[in-house]
Formats: sequence, C-alpha cells, structure tokens
Amino acid sequence: SQQGEEDPQALSIQEGENATMNCSYKTSINNLQWYRQNSGRGLVHLILIRSNEREKHSGRLRVTLDTSKKSSSLLITASRAADTASYFCATDRQGAQKLVFGQGTRLTINP
Amino acid sequence: EAGVAQSPRYKIIEKRQSVAFWCNPISGHATLYWYQQILGQGPKLLIQFQNNGVVDDSQLPKDRFSAERLKGVDSTLKIQPAKLEDSAVYLCASTILSGRTGELFFGEGSRLTVL
Repeated sequence: SQQGEEDPQALSIQEGENATMNCSYKTSINNLQWYRQNSGRGLVHLILIRSNEREKHSGRLRVTLDTSKKSSSLLITASRAADTASYFCATDRQGAQKLVFGQGTRLTINP
Repeated sequence: EAGVAQSPRYKIIEKRQSVAFWCNPISGHATLYWYQQILGQGPKLLIQFQNNGVVDDSQLPKDRFSAERLKGVDSTLKIQPAKLEDSAVYLCASTILSGRTGELFFGEGSRLTVL
C-alpha cells in the first residue's frame, strides 16, 4: 500500500525557476525521505527529515515537515535541466521499520 | 565505494516462464530490500531482509515469488511462473542500519518484460 501521495503528479517549469512538490501521508512517522529517479535509473537519496524536525536544507533543496498536517514539501531553487527527474517521498512509519514510497512527481525543467 | 549491483539489467520472457534476479548490496550493509516498480508508479516493497532473516514479506506474492539472502550478503529474487502483470522494474536497495530505517542505496534495477 502507498503511504505518501505526491502533488502534483507532473510539473513543468522553466530553467531557473523554483519547483515545489508536496507529499501527504496518513500515519505517524519516524522520518520522511525524498528520493530522485532519473529515467531508467535507480533511486538516489536526497534528504531525510526526522519527525521532530521542521525544516532541513541541502544545497538547493529545502524540505519542510508538518507532522500536525501530515505533510511535507520539497523545494528545489534555481532549477537546472539536470533536475529533470521523478521525485518520490518515502515515509518510515512508526512501528513498521520500512520505507513506503508515494507515486512520485515527474518534474520537467525546460531550457 | 562500490554501489548496489544488480543483474540482469533487462529480461524478456514469455508468461509462465521463470526468471531470477540477483543483487549484491554494498559491503557491510545489514538490511536488503527488494522493491517492484511498475511503470509510472512508486516502488512497492516486496521483501526486506535483515542479515539473512526476513523482516517483512507481507506484500510478496508467495505463490509465485520467492527470495533468499544467503549468508546475509547477496540476494536472489525469483518469479515462477511469471504473469503479464509482473512486467516491472525490480529494484534492490540496502542500508547499513539494522533495526531502523535510514538512507537507502538503490541499484539500477532489473527491467522485466513478460509477453
């Protein structure tokens, strides 16, 4: 079963603009992670945010977590063509000890 | 360090045939996962090993899928007999952690087409 749901399913922006993707989930979590997947490749870990954290930064990435709303957002600033990929959130549910992935957001950066 | 290795990268079979996928995780990683990713969807966990023991196989179709992790290192996922709906990418991932979930390292995947 899928725990996280990403929104939007697809996003197309111009190079240099910011991209925001959202993830909602249903049950209490230990942490939430974001992964990137280029076409035909495996997933690459981007960032992990723990349930007691509200915001985390890594380079051009900013992740927020609102446990009261059971939602997270991933912001990519100053987008580049190389950011074109699918982005997935994954939740580590309390008591489950496993990662459950959402359906993903397909991001296209137009040059 | 070497990443997660998977083979074969691509496999095409007829329905009712069998297929096996192999995964070699990063050295020292205690936990190994097999995920199934159908085109356009997110990865779905099939089975999770901690060392050579099964932690979770609740979503593994056990009438046709089997997996093992010998000596707590390499793992093999087998499908027998295959159905059309098994067409997907099979992703192997590993993590150094044992007993809790952190960053997963994924292989490039094995793409299965069932005709």
